[in-house]
Amino acid sequence: AQSVTQPDIHITVSEGASLELRCNYSYGATPYLFWYVQSPGQGLQLLLKYFSGDTLVQGIKGFEAEFKRSQSSFNLRKPSVHWSDAAEYFCAVGPLIQGAQKLVFGQGTRLTINP
Amino acid sequence: GAGVSQSPSNKVTEKGKDVELRCDPISGHTALYWYRQRLGQGLEFLIYFQGNSAPDKSGLPSDRFSAERTGESVSTLTIQRTQQEDSAVYLCASSFSGVEQFFGPGTRLTVL
Repeated sequence: AQSVTQPDIHITVSEGASLELRCNYSYGATPYLFWYVQSPGQGLQLLLKYFSGDTLVQGIKGFEAEFKRSQSSFNLRKPSVHWSDAAEYFCAVGPLIQGAQKLVFGQGTRLTINP
Repeated sequence: GAGVSQSPSNKVTEKGKDVELRCDPISGHTALYWYRQRLGQGLEFLIYFQGNSAPDKSGLPSDRFSAERTGESVSTLTIQRTQQEDSAVYLCASSFSGVEQFFGPGTRLTVL
């Protein structure tokens, strides 16, 4: 069965510092991988996705993520965080075949930014 | 263009009552999904509709939960005889490509 683990429930970083949020997945083949952000009281917004090809993907708001097959990881990074990045971040894995589309989400990492 | 909309945004109900939650997907999106997000948790898949195919109901937690979709339009998630453990945010998403999903703001359900 598919599963996603986000080991860090809560991370605090200072504004301007670099950020890395961890995501490990379990899946039988190369999955579709996603990072979503959820601001308080808001729905989820897609930050970036990986389907195939270049393992370093760029997303919105200056985020990037790197797919490492050998480590079953898809960590999210940002070189310099802004106060507006404070939110909940969810990693998700989807199926390879486009016919079935149930996303499996991690439990989320809450990001707090210190001024 | 409009995104995915959900109504109501908040619903407070008494244990044992039935509730209906509505989702309006993005126009032209053939797939529609329902997820549940309990406090402090990730999202749990509930059900998904794709075109005219039979819905995938494998995530529905009990037979008190059901959902319908009219063509490629609105969907209603119904919870009968609500229980306190049903309290959660219910999120709807739609997609055209079948993989990239666009989420609505959710309905926060509180069962007293």
